[in-house]
Amino acid sequence: DSGVTQTPKHLITATGQRVTLRCSPRSGDLSVYWYQQSLDQGLQFLIQYYNGEERAKGNILERFSAQQFPDLHSELNLSSLELGDSALYFCASSVEPVPNSPLHFGNGTRLTVT
Amino acid sequence: AQTVTQSQPEMSVQEAETVTLSCTYDTSESDYYLFWYKQPPSRQMILVIRQEAYKQQNATENRFSVNFQKAAKSFSLKISDSQLGDAAMYFCAYRSPADDKIIFGKGTRLHILP
Repeated sequence: DSGVTQTPKHLITATGQRVTLRCSPRSGDLSVYWYQQSLDQGLQFLIQYYNGEERAKGNILERFSAQQFPDLHSELNLSSLELGDSALYFCASSVEPVPNSPLHFGNGTRLTVT
Repeated sequence: AQTVTQSQPEMSVQEAETVTLSCTYDTSESDYYLFWYKQPPSRQMILVIRQEAYKQQNATENRFSVNFQKAAKSFSLKISDSQLGDAAMYFCAYRSPADDKIIFGKGTRLHILP
């Protein structure tokens, strides 16, 4: 158990809808990362937060947004969903932006857009 | 921008044998961090091993070791005495201390043959 909690585990929704994915980092971890993994693909970095502030941004679509709250949990909002947004969305956390600090991953949220 | 390339989409190895997974990366930074993550069928991401670029000594974790060639920008993973539980997708990852992004390769699927 990595200590990172993601909810829900599975989400099925229709095109055009909006969903929110939630992540609770490991106790004591200040950094939260979001990744998208499409079928049999690598992990695409979306965005990173550190102690409530956005720190790094990857290939995140304008339809997607995220935030980290004062209690350090994070939410990833996906709107105007398209079929291509179907993927496994991972949240990961680390103690702080220390480069050799490994990421601890949650079990992911599997999003299916129909 | 940094890139990570895993040129072997799939590999197979006989149980108890040794296998090496390749990873190359492109960067202009002199200081960075490299990781190998394992993703078994459960889809959870598990840290296998990590290497700091400023360390010349290759990292080792039990049956897992790396061959880090900084000049060649190569970071291969060697798995000795392969076991059935090693069957998984393996991702190579690069972490920049400058912007804290963590970039993953597309992965290598490893099959263990009994």
